[in-house]
Amino acid sequence: GNSVTQMEGPVTLSEEAFLTINCTYTATGYPSLFWYVQYPGEGLQLLLKATKADDKGSNKGFEATYRKETTSFHLEKGSVQVSDSAVYFCALSAGGGSYIPTFGRGTSLIVHP
Amino acid sequence: SAVISQKPSRDICQRGTSLTIQCQVDSQVTMMFWYRQQPGQSLTLIATANQGSEATYESGFVIDKFPISRPNLTFSTLTVSNMSPEDSSIYLCSVGGTAGVGETQYFGPGTRLLVL
Repeated sequence: GNSVTQMEGPVTLSEEAFLTINCTYTATGYPSLFWYVQYPGEGLQLLLKATKADDKGSNKGFEATYRKETTSFHLEKGSVQVSDSAVYFCALSAGGGSYIPTFGRGTSLIVHP
Repeated sequence: SAVISQKPSRDICQRGTSLTIQCQVDSQVTMMFWYRQQPGQSLTLIATANQGSEATYESGFVIDKFPISRPNLTFSTLTVSNMSPEDSSIYLCSVGGTAGVGETQYFGPGTRLLVL
């Protein structure tokens, strides 16, 4: 079946540090890959996505590249801010009759001033 | 895109009671989803709610415990019945992600439930 594995959190960084949150996946076929973000007290919202191999999704300074050869979709940001503190979920959507996403466990990011 | 609201935003309930959570979407959608997010855990799909038919429950979730209504294309309710402390979670309503593998899902703000 489909699965998503994310690095364990929490990830604690100082403001302006470089961020990487690792995500690897297992899926049949050609899935689409997503990063969702959940700010404190809120629901999930889409951060970025990529729908085919070698695509790069980007938004708000965050980037992730769909790497089929390593089945990865790592999230990066060059300089984090306190306002980036949130929980980040990697997810995939594959075909086969159901497009309901499979989510990773989430990685909590804490950014200190 | 879709804008989703949920009521209540949070509640503290006593063991053995039931709570009904409402989900309202600003557009008509065929399928609505209910998720549970336990502390430190990922999202777990409870059920898919289609208008005009019975909800489809995922393994480990049953209608007697989590009855769902879907009276029209913009509204759904999830009831958590006979609650125990293990039901303390965030419950999320969502729509989308059904038209194709690249489609985004949209989530409500969640209902934070604490059962004492």
